[in-house]
Amino acid sequence: EPEVTQTPSHQVTQMGQEVILRCVPISNHLYFYWYRQILGQKVEFLVSFYNNEISEKSEIFDDQFSVERPDGSNFTLKIRSTKLEDSAMYFCASIRPEGVSYNEQFFGPGTRLTVL
Amino acid sequence: AQRVTQPEKLLSVFKGAPVELKCNYSYSGSPELFWYVQYSRQRLQLLLRHISRESIKGFTADLNKGETSFHLKKPFAQEEDSAMYYCALLYNQGGKLIFGQGTELSVKP
Repeated sequence: EPEVTQTPSHQVTQMGQEVILRCVPISNHLYFYWYRQILGQKVEFLVSFYNNEISEKSEIFDDQFSVERPDGSNFTLKIRSTKLEDSAMYFCASIRPEGVSYNEQFFGPGTRLTVL
Repeated sequence: AQRVTQPEKLLSVFKGAPVELKCNYSYSGSPELFWYVQYSRQRLQLLLRHISRESIKGFTADLNKGETSFHLKKPFAQEEDSAMYYCALLYNQGGKLIFGQGTELSVKP
């Protein structure tokens, strides 16, 4: 069964450094999402992406964040200058909506980002 | 504002006991609700969605619009049910999910 994959599984970086988190959604999916989960807190929506542009972004998704789908398969989340509070688990998800309602979002295993 | 509340952080039961994981929501439109489960060291995966009205692994969940609840129930818990359970609301604009805090279910032998 196809799965969403994410790399790396764990990323350690210094504050102020740029990081790129990578996701490969399921191949025929059309909508893509990033969520994050700070340790001990709820899973929070960051951004949705469809047809090569951002559909919606949360307040968390400020100018330090960007997403792109550079080659039709990868879906990346870039944080330009990481802060300590960016430390979290980052989940990628994708769906292929059918009919008029959205169906199941398939999640990747997550990337644990640690900012020192 | 849209919100999902799971009041219990941890629910501990013995094998064979009934389980109810509570979920309440706040949403002005017609809600579409899900339960996701995350087993140890595994990814989030869909357990149930309310529109399907199905039973998966013995779990059921009924949407109660009057009480704005979508509680997850199982009559007889099994050890393999131990996991984190997240209730989620689909916010139709953009299709994003709004998650509750999650409830850790621990089923003891």
